[in-house]
Amino acid sequence: DIQMTQSPSSLSASVGDRVTITCRASQSINNYLHWYQKKPGKAPQLLIKTASRLQNGVPSRFSGSGSGTDFTLTISSLQPEDFATYYCQQSYSALTFGGGTKVEIK
Amino acid sequence: QLQLQESGPGLVKPSETLSLTCTVSGGSISSSDSYWGWIRQPPGKGLEWIGSVYYTGSTYYNPSLRSRVTISVDTSKNQFSLKLSSVTAADTAVYYCARRDWSDRIPSIYYFDYWGQGTLVTVSS
Repeated sequence: DIQMTQSPSSLSASVGDRVTITCRASQSINNYLHWYQKKPGKAPQLLIKTASRLQNGVPSRFSGSGSGTDFTLTISSLQPEDFATYYCQQSYSALTFGGGTKVEIK
Repeated sequence: QLQLQESGPGLVKPSETLSLTCTVSGGSISSSDSYWGWIRQPPGKGLEWIGSVYYTGSTYYNPSLRSRVTISVDTSKNQFSLKLSSVTAADTAVYYCARRDWSDRIPSIYYFDYWGQGTLVTVSS
């Protein structure tokens, strides 16, 4: 199994902050890495596909980068609606998700 | 706009079979550009992919759950279903159905772009 490790597991930030979340794969996964936003009681929302492609309708303050084993999700200017938990997911071999990063209000 | 809705019992006894159905509206489950999947989230934990099905009935399961999972599709009803056998308390989770976009036609590009709201299934006697 390919293990996905996200860091940090949680962070506190203020509106307007630049936030970076990291996802590391236990082996190279090319760019088969996708990011989701999850709010309590809501379904996950796809943000980024194949490491850097912004999903239709997602604000441009979200961006993704990386290839191989190391990936990042960046929120350029945190907005109130961005406080949520973020998950990465690899699809190189079967499908596995990272443990999540909870973004909380400072 | 594609919509998915899970349905099924919210309480299942240990050792029994969990059965859920996902009804797709706003689009056809027989679309060649879509796979249909199940994902779950135990309370306080992360997401776990369970498996997926194509409208032809072709399936793809999480190796860790394969022995207990059956996913099927009913194109006449625009639905697909999940059966998870021999459940234990560890199977208590919110279960989501979702659509995989297959328009890229690249096997390793596998993400879910439409999701149902999720349904909580509790395993308890």
